[in-house]
Amino acid sequence: AQTVTQSQPEMSVQEAETVTLSCTYDTSESDYYLFWYKQPPSRQMILVIRQEAYKQQNATENRFSVNFQKAAKSFSLKISDSQLGDAAMYFCAYRVTLRGGSEKLVFGKGTKLTVNP
Amino acid sequence: SAVISQKPSRDICQRGTSLTIQCQVDSQVTMMFWYRQQPGQSLTLIATANQGSEATYESGFVIDKFPISRPNLTFSTLTVSNMSPEDSSIYLCSVEVLAGGEQYFGPGTRLTVT
Repeated sequence: AQTVTQSQPEMSVQEAETVTLSCTYDTSESDYYLFWYKQPPSRQMILVIRQEAYKQQNATENRFSVNFQKAAKSFSLKISDSQLGDAAMYFCAYRVTLRGGSEKLVFGKGTKLTVNP
Repeated sequence: SAVISQKPSRDICQRGTSLTIQCQVDSQVTMMFWYRQQPGQSLTLIATANQGSEATYESGFVIDKFPISRPNLTFSTLTVSNMSPEDSSIYLCSVEVLAGGEQYFGPGTRLTVT
């Protein structure tokens, strides 16, 4: 079964500094997708970044980038120049294909990020 | 991307009653999903709802407890039936705009059962 592990329940960072959130996953598939979602107190789930497993290049979206290590099954999120608005729960997710071709996301337990002014 | 709305945004319900949550998308999508997020927990998939077919439920979730409708490509409902305090959660719908693409989430419905 596919599992996603986020080993850091909570993290904190000073404003303008850089922080890295870790995520590992377990799968026997070779082609899959990984995602980081952000959930602020408003509870709206917001897609931060996605990574296709067949792409060796790490995905980047402005201040957000990933370090994707396929062999190690590791998918960490780096937030540069942290801003107060980055404070949220961050969920790592893996997409699995179900019977019949539909898909679902398997989520990690989340990391609560606090940004200190 | 997609703009997704959910109604109600929150509700407080009595034990034994039922609540229907609506999910509306601003574009036609094939696949819609319903998730539950219990207090302080991660998201767990309840079921996948494709238009024109029966919803597919994950292990631990049954149709009698969580009936789902998907009458068209922009709308779905999830009913939480015969509620108990253990059903107190945030319920989120999501959609997959492009086959194989990422999922976009609605703002969630916070349900409290007393």
